Amino acid sequence: GAVVSQHPSWVICKSGTSVKIECRSLDFQATTMFWYRQFPKQSLMLMATSNEGSKATYEQGVEKDKFLINHASLTLSTLTVTSAHPEDSSFYICSAARGQGSTEAFFGQGTRLTVV
Amino acid sequence: AQKITQTQPGMFVQEKEAVTLDCTYDTSDQSYGLFWYKQPSSGEMIFLIYQGSYDEQNATEGRYSLNFQKARKSTNLVISASQLGDSAMYFCAMRERQTGANNLFFGTGTRLTVIP
Repeated sequence: GAVVSQHPSWVICKSGTSVKIECRSLDFQATTMFWYRQFPKQSLMLMATSNEGSKATYEQGVEKDKFLINHASLTLSTLTVTSAHPEDSSFYICSAARGQGSTEAFFGQGTRLTVV
Repeated sequence: AQKITQTQPGMFVQEKEAVTLDCTYDTSDQSYGLFWYKQPSSGEMIFLIYQGSYDEQNATEGRYSLNFQKARKSTNLVISASQLGDSAMYFCAMRERQTGANNLFFGTGTRLTVIP
């Protein structure tokens, strides 16, 4: 089956530094990938939609200058948390679907970010 | 308004018994997809089962089945013969076709605990 790989699975960084998270579709091309954020004991909230070859679409309230998304190829999207602060600590998870209307959406393993 | 509502924050079930996790949704789209995911403590999102809005039969996948009641806008997940490994968070999600996107709206989840 299709697999989406996310890296790293966890990261600890100092306040003020930037962190890059990668999301790869391993056996299919994904023109669109999605980045979610999940706070402890809460649901997944969509942050942005990553479109290959064009700008990402951000959800209301998500700072696009803070959460930089690059979707340079059909199998890779990256999320960079810039100038991270402790309140950015969260679980970030990406997903991709084979195409429009796919009956499955595959998720990466997630990245637990802790900013100290 | 909430697109996906899961009213059971936590559920307990005896091992080998069946359990039903509730989910209602809200959409004006005629065409949409409903998903259930399992999230163990490791954080990964595991796809369980899918129901399309035009599917007349309730979806089944091994021990997982859906009780899809379109008029009531509900899609309850039934897990039969519960196993200890079923203990996890369960999320109901919906994809609307009208948005033209592939992103999923998630409910707040239900934590299932299987008791030996």
